[in-house]
Amino acid sequence: EAEVAQSPRYKITEKSQAVAFWCDPISGHATLYWYRQILGQGPELLVQFQDESVVDDSQLPKDRFSAERLKGVDSTLKIQPAELGDSAMYLCASSHGQGAFGYTFGSGTRLTVV
Amino acid sequence: QKEVEQNSGPLSVPEGAIASLNCTYSDRGSQSFFWYRQYSGKSPELIMSIYSNGDKEDGRFTAQLNKASQYVSLLIRDSQPSDSATYLCAVNKAGNKLVFGAGTILRVKS
Repeated sequence: EAEVAQSPRYKITEKSQAVAFWCDPISGHATLYWYRQILGQGPELLVQFQDESVVDDSQLPKDRFSAERLKGVDSTLKIQPAELGDSAMYLCASSHGQGAFGYTFGSGTRLTVV
Repeated sequence: QKEVEQNSGPLSVPEGAIASLNCTYSDRGSQSFFWYRQYSGKSPELIMSIYSNGDKEDGRFTAQLNKASQYVSLLIRDSQPSDSATYLCAVNKAGNKLVFGAGTILRVKS
């Protein structure tokens, strides 16, 4: 079964350092999503890509977060500088373009900022 | 008001019982509804989707949708300890993105 690949699985970083997460969606999936899930809460959308274009980044803290999907395939989410409140699970998901049918999540990256 | 609301629980049921999980949503224009299961420390896994009013059954799971009441539910029959997890309700919004509730913790006791 096709999977969404994410790395690293876990990341511990110090406050004010830079951190990056990588996601490789299911082959052929045009739409890619980054979600953040704080412990005890539901996932919240940070950014949505359609191919290489950003469709929605309204909830992305742009002063410190950036995301790119240069060739419309894999994607990188970066945080610089990291803050204590950024500790969370960062989830990547992809769909063939129609979120109406749900989408598949990767295994996530658990970020701890110390 | 949150777009998708769920009782955080925990909901505790004995093994073999029916677990009933509920969700309400605010956007009357929503057309697609999903239930995800999330084990502790893992990512969400899609278990059910529903698009039309009424019931949809898949094995031990039944999703129920009432658009007039803006209400979605998930029933788990013959609950097993392995069903213990957080259940996330998600609603599709314009622009093909899912909005999630905070989840309900289910505990099935053997």
